[in-house]
Amino acid sequence: QLQLQESGPGLVKPSETLSLTCTVSGGSISSSSYYWGWIRQPPGKGLEWIGSIYYSGSTYYNPSLKSRVTISVDTSKNQFSLKLSSVTAADTAVYYCARLFGYVTDYWGQGTLVTVSS
Amino acid sequence: QSALTQPASVSGSPGQSITISCTGTSSDVGSYNLVSWYQQHPGKAPKLMIYEGSKRPSGVSNRFSGSKSGNTASLTISGLQAEDEADYYCCSYAGSSSVVFGGGTKLTVL
Repeated sequence: QLQLQESGPGLVKPSETLSLTCTVSGGSISSSSYYWGWIRQPPGKGLEWIGSIYYSGSTYYNPSLKSRVTISVDTSKNQFSLKLSSVTAADTAVYYCARLFGYVTDYWGQGTLVTVSS
Repeated sequence: QSALTQPASVSGSPGQSITISCTGTSSDVGSYNLVSWYQQHPGKAPKLMIYEGSKRPSGVSNRFSGSKSGNTASLTISGLQAEDEADYYCCSYAGSSSVVFGGGTKLTVL
């Protein structure tokens, strides 16, 4: 059974860079059938797609976040990562990593809360 | 790329049917048959319920169905059960390898 697990700091200071890693188990991140992505959910609010990456390294970002987002993949570790720079309180959210086939998210991590505060 | 529009809340009694709408534009919902729906219980990750407009993943009850007309997609839940009480989100392909979510709908089973 495929599992995704987010890891990283739960607290980030304003103006700094948020960094999260997603470890994939029970399947290969190098599968040609899937993309891997990040989605976030501010407390009490809706879902927002951040971006996606293919195992080859091709990336696709939400236009509203594109200038601050970098998603990368490490196939040797079966992991992919998110970096979001210049964070503010508005970036406080539960961050989910996920697997996508086509444009459908079929597997989700449990999510990790990242709070931006000094 | 604006969020898709969903009603903030809907409600129904056990056994009834409800429909949740998801309105986009000709750049997303209207142009592609690539709308998916997710169910999210409090404190849990979303779960895929419908994809490509009307397809159900294995294991999802056939009480859940999806459709689309023009720029609006819909999720219908028939034979409402207490366990269906949750938040529901639609999502559509929006071109240029991007997707956009709806604002979410809280379903209350009375």
